[in-house]
Amino acid sequence: AQKITQTQPGMFVQEKEAVTLDCTYDTSDQSYGLFWYKQPSSGEMIFLIYQGSYDEQNATEGRYSLNFQKARKSANLVISASQLGDSAMYFCAMREKEGGSYQLTFGKGTKLSVIP
Amino acid sequence: NAGVTQTPKFRVLKTGQSMTLLCAQDMNHEYMYWYRQDPGMGLRLIHYSVGEGTTAKGEVPDGYNVSRLKKQNFLLGLESAAPSQTSVYFCASSPSGSISYEQYFGPGTRLTVT
Repeated sequence: AQKITQTQPGMFVQEKEAVTLDCTYDTSDQSYGLFWYKQPSSGEMIFLIYQGSYDEQNATEGRYSLNFQKARKSANLVISASQLGDSAMYFCAMREKEGGSYQLTFGKGTKLSVIP
Repeated sequence: NAGVTQTPKFRVLKTGQSMTLLCAQDMNHEYMYWYRQDPGMGLRLIHYSVGEGTTAKGEVPDGYNVSRLKKQNFLLGLESAAPSQTSVYFCASSPSGSISYEQYFGPGTRLTVT
């Protein structure tokens, strides 16, 4: 079974609108971390936001927020007031303890296109 | 502060040739990782290291070897390249194995094997 599932291969959003990118995860650990990364067409991986499994409040970083629903095992990324520069691939990832160390497992990504 | 750097940025190999990808970080991080990214597959972990002199296998280790002789460097080797190893390779590092620490990524190396 996939540990991280991103069901939206591609999404479109109008500039200045909000958009939600879906992510569900699968783990039996109580302690884990959830991350979102952005990959623009230039190729680099840019860290956006982190949510710990024990964090009671949803994480926020500027225009990014993480809608964390632990019982449903979902960690959706919400981008408010979309900008043209938000067009990119977005990857959800989970960090959990595996084999004695902490490893990051990535989803397959969602390609977001912002329309002017 | 350069962060994580990768050498080279691009490389074309013929089947059967060998090469080494170099990753260097100047943040004194303990953990280092090598990933490959293929279209539609996200990033998959090849090998990782939890400290100088240590290495361990990730999800897709076959056909690759690694070494971590110095804390700041993590080398990825392909002894006999195959077309299936055509991919973009990313190196990453993190301060330790804590759940909350993000991984810092290098710019990537685009490798084509013909």
